[in-house]
Amino acid sequence: KNEVEQSPQNLTAQEGEFITINCSYSVGISALHWLQQHPGGGIVSLFMLSSGKKKHGRLIATINIQEKHSSLHITASHPRDSAVYICAVRYQLIWGAGTKLIIKP
Amino acid sequence: EAEVAQSPRYKITEKSQAVAFWCDPISGHATLYWYRQILGQGPELLVQFQDESVVDDSQLPKDRFSAERLKGVDSTLKIQPAELGDSAMYLCASSSSGGAGEQFFGPGTRLTVL
Repeated sequence: KNEVEQSPQNLTAQEGEFITINCSYSVGISALHWLQQHPGGGIVSLFMLSSGKKKHGRLIATINIQEKHSSLHITASHPRDSAVYICAVRYQLIWGAGTKLIIKP
Repeated sequence: EAEVAQSPRYKITEKSQAVAFWCDPISGHATLYWYRQILGQGPELLVQFQDESVVDDSQLPKDRFSAERLKGVDSTLKIQPAELGDSAMYLCASSSSGGAGEQFFGPGTRLTVL
């Protein structure tokens, strides 16, 4: 069993929809990271969180340490949000396989 | 804005040849990481440096891969000989927080082994 599981693997939605990507992990952690990878390969860190919720623009990340679960939400999704979203734990040394998000105009 | 530099961006080689990738982290970042990402999968850590010392290379296939960071600044990852299964994106990242903080990624080197 993978130590970090993401769902869904693929997600296609219409512009404007509310998006939720989930991440579950089985190891003890001090923080969880959400990252975005565009088709060209570049990776950008979105959030590092150890409790509660963080918000940046249209992106919201939540974490429940007791349940070992985190979610990444995108409000008012836009085609430019199309990318692979990856969660990682243990100082980003254990990575999920990513969720490929496509937002259609 | 400070960035992690990597070169080359693309590399095509034949199997059994040697290849080398270079990474220059953000100035002042003591921690440097090399990752391999196979298409459709998440990145896999190959090696982590703290200054010039290797912190973790447990996932590095040491029979063919080597990594060095001689002066604790830039780093080189080498594969010799390359195999077909080595085709992947090789990502370098750096961090200022000894591995506990945000990592900043370079653009990656896409390797194709023919």
